[in-house]
Amino acid sequence: AQSVTQLGSHVSVSEGALVLLRCNYSSSVPPYLFWYVQYPNQGLQLLLKYTSAATLVKGINGFEAEFKKSETSFHLTKPSAHMSDAAEYFCAVSTTGGGNKLTFGTGTQLKVEL
Amino acid sequence: KAGVTQTPRYLIKTRGQQVTLSCSPISGHRSVSWYQQTPGQGLQFLFEYFSETQRNKGNFPGRFSGRQFSNSRSEMNVSTLELGDSALYLCASSRDRGETETQYFGPGTRLLVL
Repeated sequence: AQSVTQLGSHVSVSEGALVLLRCNYSSSVPPYLFWYVQYPNQGLQLLLKYTSAATLVKGINGFEAEFKKSETSFHLTKPSAHMSDAAEYFCAVSTTGGGNKLTFGTGTQLKVEL
Repeated sequence: KAGVTQTPRYLIKTRGQQVTLSCSPISGHRSVSWYQQTPGQGLQFLFEYFSETQRNKGNFPGRFSGRQFSNSRSEMNVSTLELGDSALYLCASSRDRGETETQYFGPGTRLLVL
């Protein structure tokens, strides 16, 4: 069975600082990995996804993530945080044969301070 | 193009009652998945429907059921409600069925069981 672990349920950064949200996966088969963002009282919005085409994936709003098989990681980064980035971020995994089923991490609440 | 719509947005029920939630996918999308989001358990997969057939099911009791209609709209039903069923129920649609498909989430239905 596949799973993802998000280290740090809360992360706080200053506006303009680097954002780094950590995600490690566990899967016995090649994984497909996703990052979603959830703003208060809203559904989830896809930021980016890894589908084995390229290990460095660029997403919306300046976010990117790098798939590192040797470290079983898919960390999300953004060079410069903006106040509007404050939200909850979820890492998710799907695997071949699993259809559309996503297994989510526990989420990381990002706070951006002035 | 309209996004995924869910009705109702908010619902209050009492223990023992049943509830039906509705999800209209993005036009042209044939797959619908349902997730339950709670503070304690996080985001958990309920089930996935494609071409009016349930393709995948999460680890939930039989009180949770769903269906999909020929126009791809989906409903989920929870019978004999329990306090622990209080949650945000999210619906997601995708064009097709597959592990790399992008899923688009609706705003959710927030269910409170008293």
